[in-house]
Amino acid sequence: TQLLEQSPQFLSIQEGENLTVYCNSSSVFSSLQWYRQEPGEGPVLLVTVVTGGEVKKLKRLTFQFGDARKDSSLHITAAQPGDTGLYLCAGAFENSGNTPLVFGKGTRLSVIA
Amino acid sequence: TAGITQAPTSQILAAGRSMTLRCTQDMRHNAMYWYRQDLGLGLRLIHYSNTAGTTGKGEVPDGYSVSRANTDDFPLTLASAVPSQTSVYFCASSDAGREVANEQFFGPGTRLTVL
Repeated sequence: TQLLEQSPQFLSIQEGENLTVYCNSSSVFSSLQWYRQEPGEGPVLLVTVVTGGEVKKLKRLTFQFGDARKDSSLHITAAQPGDTGLYLCAGAFENSGNTPLVFGKGTRLSVIA
Repeated sequence: TAGITQAPTSQILAAGRSMTLRCTQDMRHNAMYWYRQDLGLGLRLIHYSNTAGTTGKGEVPDGYSVSRANTDDFPLTLASAVPSQTSVYFCASSDAGREVANEQFFGPGTRLTVL
């Protein structure tokens, strides 16, 4: 059973378009993180959301944590080829530094120039 | 700053042979983790360690063992490799002292092929 479902699995868009990817669960998380992974590299943290309903912005990326802390979304405005990569969400059941994370399978984004 | 290093970068291994994947971090993080990443299955936790001297099993621990003799090193051993262990292996670490759930820092990965 996959605790975190990410959609879509694959997304190919033109440069300049907007997009939203989703991370959904039936479980409640203490916090949720978004990572981006480029080919041949490990994932790199983009953001952590902790409070239900929280919205965080990172340049053209907007992250939202659902009110019930069961889901999250990532919206990218005016996508650029540099945004290409695998976007992973990861949930933590406890707010402690060493709680193992549960990862979704990821959304693979391709932005075409 | 090196962060997390993994070795080797890639390896081809005959089935039945043993191998140790190395992972070293220089951030003095308490917690360390081993994941495998497979197409269509995402990142799955193999083993973890909350502090030196302790280890725990993750989602897919069978066929793997770990040790944590000190803070910096967290090797992963395959005692008798099987083809289903073909994967990309990532080591990660986090600072257990943080209040917010752990930002994990990942190494560059080891690509292992078992034939």
